Amino acid sequence: EVQLLESGGGVVQPGGSLRLSCAASGFTFNNYAMSWVRQAPGKGLEWVSSISATRDFSYYADSLKGRFTISRDNFKNMLYLQLNSLRADDTAVYYCAKDRVISSGRPTEFDYWGQGTLVTVSS
Amino acid sequence: DIVLTQTPLSSPVTLGQPASISCKSSQSLVHSDGNTYLSWLQQRPGQPPRLLIYKISNRFSGVPDRFSGSGAGTDFTLKISKVEVEDVGVYYCMQATQLYTFGQGTKLEIK
Repeated sequence: EVQLLESGGGVVQPGGSLRLSCAASGFTFNNYAMSWVRQAPGKGLEWVSSISATRDFSYYADSLKGRFTISRDNFKNMLYLQLNSLRADDTAVYYCAKDRVISSGRPTEFDYWGQGTLVTVSS
Repeated sequence: DIVLTQTPLSSPVTLGQPASISCKSSQSLVHSDGNTYLSWLQQRPGQPPRLLIYKISNRFSGVPDRFSGSGAGTDFTLKISKVEVEDVGVYYCMQATQLYTFGQGTKLEIK
């Protein structure tokens, strides 16, 4: 059974940093691209970042302007998202999601999602 | 950037009746590899999103056959043949042809 478990969320002041983690199990992690998608309270879904299976490629939403960094550890079956220079509008539940197919490129569908971790940026 | 526009934004439906959601793209979603990366997701209250349909019309594993997807190019539709209580939630279309964009979401509720 595929499982994705996010952690690392919490309350942080504007300008602060957080590192989110996603522990993956139930599939061969190093075969699949992975992504982060966020959802502000009461709002829709917003893609944040994706990384290829072998870490060759990473992709980011333009709106992030270099503040976030995605990474993965294929030995530990872990996905990460480093969030820097946080702003109030970064407040959201952050989900990690798995690509549907084995590929060396970027994801084309997100077939399994974790429960999410809440990041609140507030003074 | 590709913009996806869903209609309606809210859909009150009678149990057992059909429901339909439209998703229109600002650009063609046909990828250079010939595939059209348009998928549909369901988000039940308090739950993460769940993949229902991928590449326009392919049902994901475990998805009931009352859900179907259709369309081409820039116009796509999700249909539920007979709405059940468990179908209540918000439905999103998503494109992965040029990075990733989601529609605004359509809230399905029971009349």
